Amino acid sequence: AQSVSQHNHHVILSEAASLELGCNYSYGGTVNLFWYVQYPGQHLQLLLKYFSGDPLVKGIKGFEAEFIKSKFSFNLRKPSVQWSDTAEYFCAVKRNTGRRALTFGSGTRLQVQP
Amino acid sequence: GAGVSQSPSNKVTEKGKDVELRCDPISGHTALYWYRQSLGQGLEFLIYFQGNSAPDKSGLPSDRFSAERTGGSVSTLTIQRTQQEDSAVYLCASSFPGQQYEQYFGPGTRLTVT
Repeated sequence: AQSVSQHNHHVILSEAASLELGCNYSYGGTVNLFWYVQYPGQHLQLLLKYFSGDPLVKGIKGFEAEFIKSKFSFNLRKPSVQWSDTAEYFCAVKRNTGRRALTFGSGTRLQVQP
Repeated sequence: GAGVSQSPSNKVTEKGKDVELRCDPISGHTALYWYRQSLGQGLEFLIYFQGNSAPDKSGLPSDRFSAERTGGSVSTLTIQRTQQEDSAVYLCASSFPGQQYEQYFGPGTRLTVT
């Protein structure tokens, strides 16, 4: 069965620190990849997505992610975090055949200290 | 424009009772998804509707769970004879059909079974 792994469950950083959140998936076919963010008390919203083309994708609020097919990874990065980035981050994968729903990782809680 | 709406926002019910959760997707979105987010876990797919096609029910955890979508718009998720392990946040998402379209999430219904 397809799975998505987020190895960091809780990350605490100081403002201006760099961020990298890991995401690995297990599916050998073509996939679409997403990072969603859930700020405290708010809906899940899309940060960025990868469908095809340039494996380095840029999203909102200075986030970017790199798809490395050989490593089945789609890590999220931000060079300098802000207190307002405190949130829970979810990696998700969608296969381009079969089930159309997203398979989510368990999430990473990011806490940025001022 | 209006996003995905869900009602109620919170529901407390006694074990053994039936509950109905409602989702209003974004107008024009023919794809509708239900997910469940349990404490400390990621989002778990429940069911997917696409237009007039038969729904993908492969994520429903037991036959106590069912969902319908009337007129290709509003959807209702029903849980019969609720159990304490059903306590979770139930999220609805909608999208345009096709791989390239992102899912937009509602605020969720927090279900507590006492």
